[in-house]
Amino acid sequence: AQKVTQAQTEISVVEKEDVTLDCVYETRDTTYYLFWYKQPPSGELVFLIRRNSFDEQNEISGRYSWNFQKSTSSFNFTITASQVVDSAVYFCALRKRGANNLFFGTGTRLTVIP
Amino acid sequence: NAGVTQTPKFQVLKTGQSMTLQCAQDMNHEYMSWYRQDPGMGLRLIHYSVGAGITDQGEVPNGYNVSRSTTEDFPLRLLSAAPSQTSVYFCASSYSMGGSGSGNTIYFGEGSWLTVV
Repeated sequence: AQKVTQAQTEISVVEKEDVTLDCVYETRDTTYYLFWYKQPPSGELVFLIRRNSFDEQNEISGRYSWNFQKSTSSFNFTITASQVVDSAVYFCALRKRGANNLFFGTGTRLTVIP
Repeated sequence: NAGVTQTPKFQVLKTGQSMTLQCAQDMNHEYMSWYRQDPGMGLRLIHYSVGAGITDQGEVPNGYNVSRSTTEDFPLRLLSAAPSQTSVYFCASSYSMGGSGSGNTIYFGEGSWLTVV
């Protein structure tokens, strides 16, 4: 069975602080895919990143970075120098190889205070 | 490039009424699905389809019907709305089991806010 846990329900930071959103997953599959989605106050789900289980390289995209560690089954997301526009709910999700459906965590609501 | 389009964006229903949420995608994706989002529960899968004429149940299918007559469209029907179906509904699509590349990414519509009173 697949499970995704986002233990942080809500986080508040002051603008320009760094913040890390945690994601821990469970799966028995050896090949799988991990995702992060952003849900801003307007409500849509915006795809941020996909990571394959066989690629443990960390990734940086501007102020965003992702740390994937198979040894701890974690796929954490760091925002550097946070901005008010980063305020949103962030979802981590898992997709098995050969399957179509996503298993979502319960989301972390990030509030960046100006 | 429209991506995944959902209508309506907002709807209020009375208990017992029926309605259809529309979903269309223009990316030639085989896989389409419906999720509902409830506070503190993330997104849960209602129904999905891996191609025209093929549908299957997800985690929370009760009270919903789907059909897939074309690759592009995947409507979700509420047969007799109940207050427990008040939620935000998301339609999603992707290439079906699309290998290791970008085909694995699942794209979502903008959501439909449904209130049942």
